[in-house]
Amino acid sequence: EAGVAQSPRYKIIEKRQSVAFWCNPISGHATLYWYQQILGQGPKLLIQFQNNGVVDDSQLPKDRFSAERLKGVDSTLKIQPAKLEDSAVYLCASSLEQDYNSPLHFGNGTRLTVT
Amino acid sequence: AQSVTQLDSQVPVFEEAPVELRCNYSSSVSVYLFWYVQYPNQGLQLLLKYLSGSTLVKGINGFEAEFNKSQTSFHLRKPSVHISDTAEYFCAVSQYTGFQKLVFGTGTRLLVSP
Repeated sequence: EAGVAQSPRYKIIEKRQSVAFWCNPISGHATLYWYQQILGQGPKLLIQFQNNGVVDDSQLPKDRFSAERLKGVDSTLKIQPAKLEDSAVYLCASSLEQDYNSPLHFGNGTRLTVT
Repeated sequence: AQSVTQLDSQVPVFEEAPVELRCNYSSSVSVYLFWYVQYPNQGLQLLLKYLSGSTLVKGINGFEAEFNKSQTSFHLRKPSVHISDTAEYFCAVSQYTGFQKLVFGTGTRLLVSP
């Protein structure tokens, strides 16, 4: 089966600019996650979707970050405006369902550098 | 809230030697435990998980982990490592919330040399 696809692979922007990341989960996976991985830290959950509904966005900085999952398939994560501390790898993951017997499948991530 | 501590940021080891990667967690309630591996330039993939039952869990690629509730640990072990095991290993924990909400540790880089 095809894995989780993410694009772009790398992005460099200046602070105060905006940026968007795209994720295409594994076909049939109902649950989609966006994680932020800052250098030297473990991944941190930003937002979780079940189909096209938000399950958890408690750690999403909503003043600058937004995410959507139209039609319950692809998802985009946007940052506007970006800050230096947003430099990180943004990981998208999907799972068949949201229960614990469904492992998360991760994409290769998008590495964002904010200068 | 729960947290995960991976005590070693980097573990160098020679090929065919045994290895243990340490993980301790903190939580006031019962948790599920996971180990994920990230090979260079790839996404994370599930290595093994403990949900319930036997405290010794076997995963892919010859890895196993033991859940120790009294010591709040979930250490990962392999009796004989290969060069191809060089990767970043992440321990993660989740409470019983009805859906997966993983909290990851900071990771341990395993460096296997010939």
